[in-house]
Amino acid sequence: EAQVTQNPRYLITVTGKKLTVTCSQNMNHEYMSWYRQDPGLGLRQIYYSMNVEVTDKGDVPEGYKVSRKEKRNFPLILESPSPNQTSLYFCASSGDRWSTDTQYFGPGTRLTVL
Amino acid sequence: KNQVEQSPQSLIILEGKNCTLQCNYTVSPFSNLRWYKQDTGRGPVSLTIMTFSENTKSNGRYTATLDADTKQSSLHITASQLSDSASYICVVSPMFSGGYNKLIFGAGTRLAVHP
Repeated sequence: EAQVTQNPRYLITVTGKKLTVTCSQNMNHEYMSWYRQDPGLGLRQIYYSMNVEVTDKGDVPEGYKVSRKEKRNFPLILESPSPNQTSLYFCASSGDRWSTDTQYFGPGTRLTVL
Repeated sequence: KNQVEQSPQSLIILEGKNCTLQCNYTVSPFSNLRWYKQDTGRGPVSLTIMTFSENTKSNGRYTATLDADTKQSSLHITASQLSDSASYICVVSPMFSGGYNKLIFGAGTRLAVHP
């Protein structure tokens, strides 16, 4: 089954404790992206990657890091989480025909930073 | 600033009724406009994708229309079902976005279908 998986699905942590949210896709997609979703706001892009070892900042990259060492994986790293990073996070992937390709989203990771 | 605005913010309808959700955008020029359905606590799922040259696209009971002159799109849901209860998100992709799939998301319309 074609899918994007994320782990963990739920996470409660404390300020300053480094964490990683994993994302994996099994569709051999070139493009992967991370978004955050907050109440009343549309999804906002954090980082994206157009291929292995190619990553770039989205609209809200502050406080986040990513890496793309393998095509299927695109982890999101919070080196020193803060309460304003409490949010619902989605990973997404799509093929290389970026103009019309469907983006497939993961199930989401709900993060709470105390 | 590129924006995508949706209305209404929320909507309640009775099962079996039709409804129309609106999306106004200022993104110009744009490559494509998408509608997604997002169930509570789940990731968005694509319903339709329209390029700037298309003016309608259907997916079962969902029909999206696009008027590029007025920069408006609508999503029409026919014969609503309880399972249609979800948020519906309008998404626009700018034409010149640096060669990657940049998407600008609306805040969504939350639809509740009651029996």
